[in-house]
Amino acid sequence: QLQLQESGPGLVKSLETLSLTCSVSGGSISSSNYYWGWIRQPPGKGLEWIGSMYYSGSPYYEPSLKSRLTISVDMSKNQFSLRLSSVTAADTAIYYCARQPITIFGAAGGWLDRWGQGMLVTVSS
Amino acid sequence: DIVMTQSPDSLAVSLGERATINCKSSQSLFYSSNNQNYLAWYQQKSGQPPKLLLYWASTRESGVPDRFSGSGSGTDFTLTISSLQAEDVAVYYCQQYRSSDLTFGGGTKVEIK
Repeated sequence: QLQLQESGPGLVKSLETLSLTCSVSGGSISSSNYYWGWIRQPPGKGLEWIGSMYYSGSPYYEPSLKSRLTISVDMSKNQFSLRLSSVTAADTAIYYCARQPITIFGAAGGWLDRWGQGMLVTVSS
Repeated sequence: DIVMTQSPDSLAVSLGERATINCKSSQSLFYSSNNQNYLAWYQQKSGQPPKLLLYWASTRESGVPDRFSGSGSGTDFTLTISSLQAEDVAVYYCQQYRSSDLTFGGGTKVEIK
């Protein structure tokens, strides 16, 4: 059974870099059938897609975050990671990683069928 | 970006009654190459990650009860819970994947009347 688990610091200082890792077990991150994505949810608010990547391709980033965002994969560890620079209080959120089946036609990744439990990251001043 | 708008923001339904949630997209989510609408629905219970309910607008994920159904095409979609159960109290989100830049609706909170 596929499982995803987010890890990283739960507290980040303002203007520093937020770094999270998603560890995947029960399946390979280098599967040809899936993208892997990050989604966040500010406390009490809705869901916001951050970005997605395929194990061998270029990642897709939410346009408003693109200048601060890096998503990468480590196939040897079966993990993918998120780095968000110059964070502010607006970046305080629960961060989720998720698996995204590939859609054959049209856009790259599709729905999000498996999710991690999420990790609250608070940006402090 | 494709903007997703859900309505209502919240609704209260009696146990066993029907709940209907609407989702409207700013662009068509229909792709003629495979005759599919690129829309998914999720359920998020308090303190939990979202759970996939439906994809391709109306295909139920494995294990999802058949009281959950999806309909619509193009820009207008509906999630229906045919007979509301206590365990269905949650926030429901729609999400488009017609664009590689995924976007979600704002969510609809479903409660028991």
